[in-house]
Amino acid sequence: AQSVTQPDIHITVSEGASLELRCNYSYGATPYLFWYVQSPGQGLQLLLKYFSGDTLVQGIKGFEAEFKRSQSSFNLRKPSVHWSDAAEYFCAVAANTDKLIFGTGTRLQVFP
Amino acid sequence: NAGVTQTPKFRVLKTGQSMTLLCAQDMNHEYMYWYRQDPGMGLRLIHYSVGEGTTAKGEVPDGYNVSRLKKQNFLLGLESAAPSQTSVYFCASSYKKYEQYFGPGTRLTVT
Repeated sequence: AQSVTQPDIHITVSEGASLELRCNYSYGATPYLFWYVQSPGQGLQLLLKYFSGDTLVQGIKGFEAEFKRSQSSFNLRKPSVHWSDAAEYFCAVAANTDKLIFGTGTRLQVFP
Repeated sequence: NAGVTQTPKFRVLKTGQSMTLLCAQDMNHEYMYWYRQDPGMGLRLIHYSVGEGTTAKGEVPDGYNVSRLKKQNFLLGLESAAPSQTSVYFCASSYKKYEQYFGPGTRLTVT
């Protein structure tokens, strides 16, 4: 069965510091991979997606993610975090179904 | 272009009462989904639809029913609400498979 693991429940960084949020998936073939962001009291917004091709994908708000097949990972990165990036981030995976499987989320806190 | 809208935004029910949540999308999307979000559990799929007139069960369908009579609307019903259904409910839609667009959510409390 497909599954997604986000090992970090809560991460705290200083504004201007770099960020990496981890995501590992379980699936035999190459899945479709997504990162979503949820600001407090809001719905989820798509940050970026990977379907095939270049394993480094660029998204909105200066985020990028790298697909690593050997590690079954799709980590989200940002070189310099802004206070407005404080939110909850969800990794999601889909493969040969009509459905997405979401991780449990990582809450990002940004200190000035 | 409003995207995905959900009605109502907040609701408080007593145990045993019924209600319907409405999701509407104006993007002509084929696929629509209902999720619930609970602390520490991410999003769990309740029911979904791959087109007008179709519905299918997701991960946690018990206690919920859905209908997709019109392409743009997807209704989620609770026939007899229970405290365990206290949650935030999100609707989503997609044109192509997987790339989902989410509504702002409905916060439901069952007392």
